[in-house]
Amino acid sequence: EVQLVESGGGLVQPGGSLRLSCAASGFTFSRYWMTWVRQAPGKGLEWVANINQDGSEKYYVDSVKGRFTISRDNAKNSLYLQLNSLKAEDTAVYYCAGGDCSGGSCSSVPVSWGQGTLVTVSS
Amino acid sequence: SYELTQPPSVSVSPGQTARITCSGDALPKKYAYWYQQKSGQAPVLVIYEDSKRPSGIPERFSGSSSGTMATLTISGAQVEDEADYYCYSADSSGNQRVFGGGTRLTVL
Repeated sequence: EVQLVESGGGLVQPGGSLRLSCAASGFTFSRYWMTWVRQAPGKGLEWVANINQDGSEKYYVDSVKGRFTISRDNAKNSLYLQLNSLKAEDTAVYYCAGGDCSGGSCSSVPVSWGQGTLVTVSS
Repeated sequence: SYELTQPPSVSVSPGQTARITCSGDALPKKYAYWYQQKSGQAPVLVIYEDSKRPSGIPERFSGSSSGTMATLTISGAQVEDEADYYCYSADSSGNQRVFGGGTRLTVL
């Protein structure tokens, strides 16, 4: 069974930093694109960043470029998101999501999702 | 930045057909995907590559795409289909992904 478990969320002051982690199990982590998606309280989903299988390709939404860094450790079956220079508008539940490798090719489209970790940016 | 536009809400009676639209300039060249999110839960993929249904998703869910608009259709909507629905796609470069603003489906 595919499992994605996020951790590392919490309360942080504006300008502060956090590192989110996502522990993956139940599938061959190194074969899959991985994605971070966030959802502000009462708002819609927002794609944040994704990373390819070996970490050589990384893409970000414009609003986090230069502040957030996505990374992965395939030996540890783990995905990370480093959040720096945090702003109030970064307050959200952050979901880790895995891509899909059915049909003979691998896609970055989020298929498997964790339950999310809440990041609150407030003084 | 690229945007996908959805209606904020759609309301139908049980057994009726619900249609949720998603418009975006790159949709003629990029696939649309649809997610269902019930309150307090993580999203679930219900349609991929415009019109394909993952295993375990009821047959009443279908998708189509024409020009700059993709459509999620729920034929014979049921009370348990009440949820927020999001379309998802990529910009013309393929590198930026985006969700639509979401549509709240009410079935009552």
